[in-house]
Amino acid sequence: KNEVEQSPQNLTAQEGEFITINCSYSVGISALHWLQQHPGGGIVSLFMLSSGKKKHGRLIATINIQEKHSSLHITASHPRDSAVYICAVRGYSGAGSYQLTFGKGTKLSVIP
Amino acid sequence: EPEVTQTPSHQVTQMGQEVILRCVPISNHLYFYWYRQILGQKVEFLVSFYNNEISEKSEIFDDQFSVERPDGSNFTLKIRSTKLEDSAMYFCASRPRLAGYEQYFGPGTRLTVT
Repeated sequence: KNEVEQSPQNLTAQEGEFITINCSYSVGISALHWLQQHPGGGIVSLFMLSSGKKKHGRLIATINIQEKHSSLHITASHPRDSAVYICAVRGYSGAGSYQLTFGKGTKLSVIP
Repeated sequence: EPEVTQTPSHQVTQMGQEVILRCVPISNHLYFYWYRQILGQKVEFLVSFYNNEISEKSEIFDDQFSVERPDGSNFTLKIRSTKLEDSAMYFCASRPRLAGYEQYFGPGTRLTVT
């Protein structure tokens, strides 16, 4: 069973700061997801990656398969980025299932 | 942009009652999932569904749970006899057929068992 650890658990930043959230996992995976959960509870998928790096606007996600580690970076953070960021990994399960194992999340608060 | 919808947004039920949580996945998606998140805890996988059958389920998904796609658009999660510990946010998600696509999550149904 894959263990997914995120750090930090809580993060407070000033608006404009560069933010990094880390995720490590214990067993080899087929893909890793970064998700954003808003205070109301809804979940939005930010990235799915299996190697290298992806960028979308101010968000950058990287993954190092050999080290079993991924990072989510937010450049020029803004109060609207305040949310819980969740790392989830997909193992090599049976064809078509793509079960995800989730981390506990990182709660980000960006202060104006 | 198409989205996954879930109803109701909040359901309150008494212990021992049956509840049905409803989801409408994105129309051309073929893989469907249910997850739950107990307050303050991490999201947990419950079940995945493809081609009208369960493709994988977790230890949580015991005999009191069932899923169904009754009419080609809705995807339901039934809890037969609710327990206090079933109180949680339940998320539905769907994914297109092709590998490499992300799952799209619904807004969730908050279930409160009293």
